[in-house]
Amino acid sequence: AQSVTQLDSHVSVSEGTPVLLRCNYSSSYSPSLFWYVQHPNKGLQLLLKYTSAATLVKGINGFEAEFKKSETSFHLTKPSAHMSDAAEYFCVVTRRRSNDYKLSFGAGTTVTVRA
Amino acid sequence: DAGVIQSPRHEVTEMGQEVTLRCKPISGHDYLFWYRQTMMRGLELLIYFNNNVPIDDSGMPEDRFSAKMPNASFSTLKIQPSEPRDSAVYFCASSSGAGANTGELFFGEGSRLTVL
Repeated sequence: AQSVTQLDSHVSVSEGTPVLLRCNYSSSYSPSLFWYVQHPNKGLQLLLKYTSAATLVKGINGFEAEFKKSETSFHLTKPSAHMSDAAEYFCVVTRRRSNDYKLSFGAGTTVTVRA
Repeated sequence: DAGVIQSPRHEVTEMGQEVTLRCKPISGHDYLFWYRQTMMRGLELLIYFNNNVPIDDSGMPEDRFSAKMPNASFSTLKIQPSEPRDSAVYFCASSSGAGANTGELFFGEGSRLTVL
């Protein structure tokens, strides 16, 4: 079994300040973890992924996430928020190297960026 | 590449009518997924195909829903008859084999369905 919990349903930051989106996961197996972003009225886009290589993963648009097995966490960060970062973000877990192609999505975190 | 293409982008229909949603995956991708997104339930996997064959349809809500993939470049999701509770955004996503195994999906922009 696997699941993710996104600890904040909504995060509001000022432009130019850091962004932190928190995600904890639960998995009976070695996990692969992902962050997806969804802008209004758009589909989801992959930001970054962890699949057992380096624990600090860099993604697009300046985002990065760190896999911490001891804390079962995969928090997403960005040092300086931009207005274009306003969107909904989903943390996702799946079983690594599995033939079961089911992804478990978190409930999402909505990010608001203030000018 | 044009990405995953879905149509229609918006559909408003009356209860009892048939609804057909369409998807063209990215060329060369051999996995295709149909998801439904609602405020109450978030993102739910309805069904996925591998090489045009349905692999897992356990997420299909009931017999009113059906999905087909007659060839590698086209899939449909049909609801007949439609009900107000089917109102949602329906996403199609595609992936290559390795991507699907590692969770890297490419999503279309979705079809927003409203059933009155």
